[in-house]
Amino acid sequence: KQEVTQIPAALSVPEGENLVLNCSFTDSAIYNLQWFRQDPGKGLTSLLLIQSSQREQTSGRLNASLDKSSGRSTLYIAASQPGDSATYLCAVQDGGFKTIFGAGTRLFVKA
Amino acid sequence: EAGVTQFPSHSVIEKGQTVTLRCDPISGHDNLYWYRRVMGKEIKFLLHFVKESKQDESGMPNNRFLAERTGGTYSTLKVQPAELEDSGVYFCASSHSGGRARTDTQYFGPGTRLTVL
Repeated sequence: KQEVTQIPAALSVPEGENLVLNCSFTDSAIYNLQWFRQDPGKGLTSLLLIQSSQREQTSGRLNASLDKSSGRSTLYIAASQPGDSATYLCAVQDGGFKTIFGAGTRLFVKA
Repeated sequence: EAGVTQFPSHSVIEKGQTVTLRCDPISGHDNLYWYRRVMGKEIKFLLHFVKESKQDESGMPNNRFLAERTGGTYSTLKVQPAELEDSGVYFCASSHSGGRARTDTQYFGPGTRLTVL
């Protein structure tokens, strides 16, 4: 049974700091891994999707890496801003489209 | 292009009543997913449609939940009769199959907050 764990559960950093969010999964037989952002009371916004054959994806200040064999992914946020404050969720999808989410990392960037 | 929409945004019902949630996916998206987040827990997969067909409903909690996607467009999720533990936020998402190449990015709706009293 696939399990997804995100560390840390919460993180508070000063503005401008670079930071790394971690995601680990127990079954390496995934089809893809997706990072989402969720703002309070809102839906999820897709940030980056990494297919199982890829090692990383980049979008602006965000970089996500995937090491499928070790069951790990990281989301790197460069030069953090107060607007980055949100909950970040990691989700893995198997070949049959079933998606398993982690509990999320709650990020607060202080101005 | 309109995103995924869900209706209602909030619903408060009493135990034993019936509630129907609706999801309109992004136009042209074959894949439609339902998820649920109960208080303090992670988002849980409920089921997945490809067009009008249920591909995986392994996450449905019990037979009080019924999902349909007639015509392969919008989907409904009915809870009958509702119980206290059904309270939570129900999310819908859609993605495009892209023919032979799965593109897979899931686009989420804002969710329906269900409160069962």
